[in-house]
Amino acid sequence: TQLLEQSPQFLSIQEGENLTVYCNSSSVFSSLQWYRQEPGEGPVLLVTVVTGGEVKKLKRLTFQFGDARKDSSLHITAAQPGDTGLYLCAGGYNAGNMLTFGGGTRLMVKP
Amino acid sequence: DTAVSQTPKYLVTQMGNDKSIKCEQNLGHDTMYWYKQDSKKFLKIMFSYNNKELIINETVPNRFSPKSPDKAHLNLHINSLELGDSAVYFCASSKGLAGQSTDTQYFGPGTRLTVL
Repeated sequence: TQLLEQSPQFLSIQEGENLTVYCNSSSVFSSLQWYRQEPGEGPVLLVTVVTGGEVKKLKRLTFQFGDARKDSSLHITAAQPGDTGLYLCAGGYNAGNMLTFGGGTRLMVKP
Repeated sequence: DTAVSQTPKYLVTQMGNDKSIKCEQNLGHDTMYWYKQDSKKFLKIMFSYNNKELIINETVPNRFSPKSPDKAHLNLHINSLELGDSAVYFCASSKGLAGQSTDTQYFGPGTRLTVL
């Protein structure tokens, strides 16, 4: 049983479209991180959110942490082929910096 | 410069063998980790280690053991390999000793282990 559920699992869209990826849990996390992983490589951190209700923007990417710190969303505006990859959310508990990862959302943006 | 490196990149071996995967970080970080990513891309923490504390995910079989010769290295040793051990194994590191979940974790490129 996954502690963090991501949806959708797969998403295929055209260049220029907007999309939102969700990360949900029944647990409260001290922080929530989003990573992007490309084939044959390790995940790379995009953002960390720590405060309930926090919103962070990274160019065309907008990240939100739920008020109760149990869920998060990633919104991409005007997606580009370079956004293609596996997006992973990860919840932290502070104990030993052990992160719990969601199952990932595989995004494909077609030109 | 590669921040977190792993060797080998690919490892194919027979069931029952013992193997090791090496990990090195040149970031001066205090904490290192091992993760397992299965065929469905689910990434699961196996170990968190710094020079004071080893935290083991309770679901990890004791055939898996981390070995750290120094702060910059955390190798993963696996005894009696099983078919279900086939996966991509990622090493990662982060700065703090205190174990803050907000620390950025830097991942290596992964080692694809195939057990035949």
